[in-house]
Amino acid sequence: GENVEQHPSTLSVQEGDSAVIKCTYSDSASNYFPWYKQELGKRPQLIIDIRSNVGEKKDQRIAVTLNKTAKHFSLHITETQPEDSAVYFCAASLGYKLSFGAGTTVTVRA
Amino acid sequence: EPEVTQTPSHQVTQMGQEVILRCVPISNHLYFYWYRQILGQKVEFLVSFYNNEISEKSEIFDDQFSVERPDGSNFTLKIRSTKLEDSAMYFCANTPAFSGRSAYEQYFGPGTRLTVT
Repeated sequence: GENVEQHPSTLSVQEGDSAVIKCTYSDSASNYFPWYKQELGKRPQLIIDIRSNVGEKKDQRIAVTLNKTAKHFSLHITETQPEDSAVYFCAASLGYKLSFGAGTTVTVRA
Repeated sequence: EPEVTQTPSHQVTQMGQEVILRCVPISNHLYFYWYRQILGQKVEFLVSFYNNEISEKSEIFDDQFSVERPDGSNFTLKIRSTKLEDSAMYFCANTPAFSGRSAYEQYFGPGTRLTVT
């Protein structure tokens, strides 16, 4: 089955700086890569996604890049704000299920 | 904006008891999933459900688990004889459509925290 690795496990950044989270996947047939943000005690919330026919996607301060050859994808958050503090999960999908990474706890220092 | 809802928010049960977790999907969504998240760990896929049957299930989803959509609206996960290791947050998720080998966005409910004592 699909195996998703995510790094780093924790990330502390100064407010206004950028944050980058990287994920790798094992199944080259996976074709959908969403990113979820989860605040403490709340549901995972879809923040951005990318399909395998696209190399990059941006939504305001958030961007995702995908390298199909290397089987890795990354989340970039620019101009971080305190409300960006949360756990971020990457996932890969082929078909019906999402396979999640272990998560990255992002702390934005004011 | 419509959201997936789940009940109860927290369920405490004794080992060996049966529990039923309920999910009310977004009305036009056709594909349903259950995931679980043990405290501090990653979200894990349990099962997907479409057209009143299971589409795919994980190794976790053994004979103790079952899903159904009894009334065409609620989507339920039943655990027949709970074990201590079933303690986790259980999330329901839905997608509006699925086309061939392409996947669509999955929207998660708020979760049910199951505590088995």
